[in-house]
Amino acid sequence: QLVESGGGLVQPGGSLRLSCTASGFTVSNHFVTWVRQAPGKGLEWVSVVYSSGLANYADSVKDRFSLSRDNSQNTVHLQMNSLRPEDTAVYYCARDLGLLGALDLWGLGTMVTVSS
Amino acid sequence: EIVLTQSPATLSLSPGERASLSCRASQNVMTNYLAWYQQKPGQPPRRLIYGALNRATGIPDRFSGSGSGTDFTLTISRLEPEDFAVYYCQQYGTLPYTFGQGTKLEIK
Repeated sequence: QLVESGGGLVQPGGSLRLSCTASGFTVSNHFVTWVRQAPGKGLEWVSVVYSSGLANYADSVKDRFSLSRDNSQNTVHLQMNSLRPEDTAVYYCARDLGLLGALDLWGLGTMVTVSS
Repeated sequence: EIVLTQSPATLSLSPGERASLSCRASQNVMTNYLAWYQQKPGQPPRRLIYGALNRATGIPDRFSGSGSGTDFTLTISRLEPEDFAVYYCQQYGTLPYTFGQGTKLEIK
């Protein structure tokens, strides 16, 4: 399973670090993707970290968000800087099977609210 | 980026009926790397279909995916009460990986 944590209320321009902790599989052997969902809206792909450690980001978050991995904790972190009100959303992490099967396992999500 | 357009936005049907949900891409989806997800209120999405037509483990066989290139369809052959939810398509062949805006399947 996957468990997200670290969400909360932050002011515009602030920072937050989300964590995605896996059990039952090793994050360093898989891709892990972050998807967000603004209140009452659809799904938006945010970023992916590959088993190699390389990452890709949506244009909307590029240069503000960054992914890292702590293999000892079997955890992926999403560092979010320069937060904007439009970043308000539930953030989900998911195990990504890539070309072999897309997003097969999802966490329950963590809510991020950017507001003054 | 590849834009996915789902139609209709809302589909009103009764249990037992057949549902067809469409996902159209603005350009070819690489090697049919297209997935369908179901989402119920307060829950994360659940993968139904990957590779355009492969049913995920544990998904009932009333769900099927078809299509290629730019036109894809999710079909639910006979609706059960638990199938009423929002459905999203996603292409995962070309970065940035994108989702459609969703189709809400509601009880008529």
